[in-house]
Amino acid sequence: GDSVTQMEGPVTLSEEAFLTINCTYTATGYPSLFWYVQYPGEGLQLLLKATKADDKGSNKGFEATYRKETTSFHLEKGSVQVSDSAVYFCALLATDSWGKLQFGAGTQVVVTP
Amino acid sequence: GAGVSQSPSNKVTEKGKDVELRCDPISGHTALYWYRQSLGQGLEFLIYFQGNSAPDKSGLPSDRFSAERTGGSVSTLTIQRTQQEDSAVYLCASSPPGTRLNEQFFGPGTRLTVL
Repeated sequence: GDSVTQMEGPVTLSEEAFLTINCTYTATGYPSLFWYVQYPGEGLQLLLKATKADDKGSNKGFEATYRKETTSFHLEKGSVQVSDSAVYFCALLATDSWGKLQFGAGTQVVVTP
Repeated sequence: GAGVSQSPSNKVTEKGKDVELRCDPISGHTALYWYRQSLGQGLEFLIYFQGNSAPDKSGLPSDRFSAERTGGSVSTLTIQRTQQEDSAVYLCASSPPGTRLNEQFFGPGTRLTVL
């Protein structure tokens, strides 16, 4: 079946450091890919998405590129801030699915001043 | 505008009791989803509504779990004869009409603890 694997956390880094969170997927066809973020005390919210191969999603300085050849959707940010501390979830929506998001386990990111 | 709301925010119950969890989606959103988030299983899809019908119930873990949606709005997730493994945060999300790729807007969740 379809699945998402993302790197385990917590990831701890200093302010202004470069962040990468790896995400790979297994799916048939051409899924759509998402990154959701959960800030402390808040609900899940969409960070960015990509719906076809080679698409790049971007938002709030974060980027992720849909790589079909490596079945990956790694999240990157060039210079993190303390306010980026959160749990990040990679998710896929299968080709034939209406809304059934399948999530990775989540990666906690802690940014220190 | 108002986001997705869920009630109660916390629920503690005894094993074997029934519980009802409520979700109020964003006004005008036609699709509604239930997920649960637990330490052992991560974030799991439970059920999806389009209007009042549920085309995808594939994530409901057992027949103790059921959900309904009325008036194309409020949804209730019912768990009968609760078990300790049902302890989790139950999340509701909604999305506007249109494509299946529309953003799902999540509520704050209901934390269920089964003693």
